[in-house]
Amino acid sequence: SQTIHQWPATLVQPVGSPLSLECTVEGTSNPNLYWYRQAAGRGLQLLFYSVGIGQISSEVPQNLSASRPQDRQFILSSKKLLLSDSGFYLCAWSPGQGDNGYTFGSGTRLTVV
Amino acid sequence: AQSVTQPDIHITVSEGASLELRCNYSYGATPYLFWYVQSPGQGLQLLLKYFSGDTLVQGIKGFEAEFKRSQSSFNLRKPSVHWSDAAEYFCAVGTGFQKLVFGTGTRLLVSP
Repeated sequence: SQTIHQWPATLVQPVGSPLSLECTVEGTSNPNLYWYRQAAGRGLQLLFYSVGIGQISSEVPQNLSASRPQDRQFILSSKKLLLSDSGFYLCAWSPGQGDNGYTFGSGTRLTVV
Repeated sequence: AQSVTQPDIHITVSEGASLELRCNYSYGATPYLFWYVQSPGQGLQLLLKYFSGDTLVQGIKGFEAEFKRSQSSFNLRKPSVHWSDAAEYFCAVGTGFQKLVFGTGTRLLVSP
């Protein structure tokens, strides 16, 4: 069966520090991968999605970037964090064919101080 | 552009009472529709989905939702709420290329 792993679960980082959040999927190949951010009391905002290795689409201009170095690995990064980057970050995957919705990871709570 | 509206930010329901969470969408074509549930500090879990066919879909945990094209709605229902149903619920519409657009969520509180 397919599983999705996301880490770390929580992270406290100072302003101006770098960021790297990792997401991996097991049990499937060529998944579509997504990074969402959920700010306190708000819905989910799609940040990036990827349909293949090295293929990244950005939905919202921001201080973050994403990379997909391997088929089932998706990384969210920043060179210098801002206070406004605080939030709950969710990775998700979906099959490459058909609209079957997403399977989400358990999320990373990022607090920038 | 596609959008999803969940007009209720919070809803409080007594345990054992029925529940209906509202969802309205805006999408030009036949939508793919989803309901997800999120417990505090956790990821989202899929409750149910609608692609085509029967407009009343059954999901996990006793939930169901009805697609009404004329009203652009996909409301979530449960006949008898349990205390463990307290969580945040998100409606989503599937757009082209497998991107989901989410509503802002409805927080369900269950009173004893």
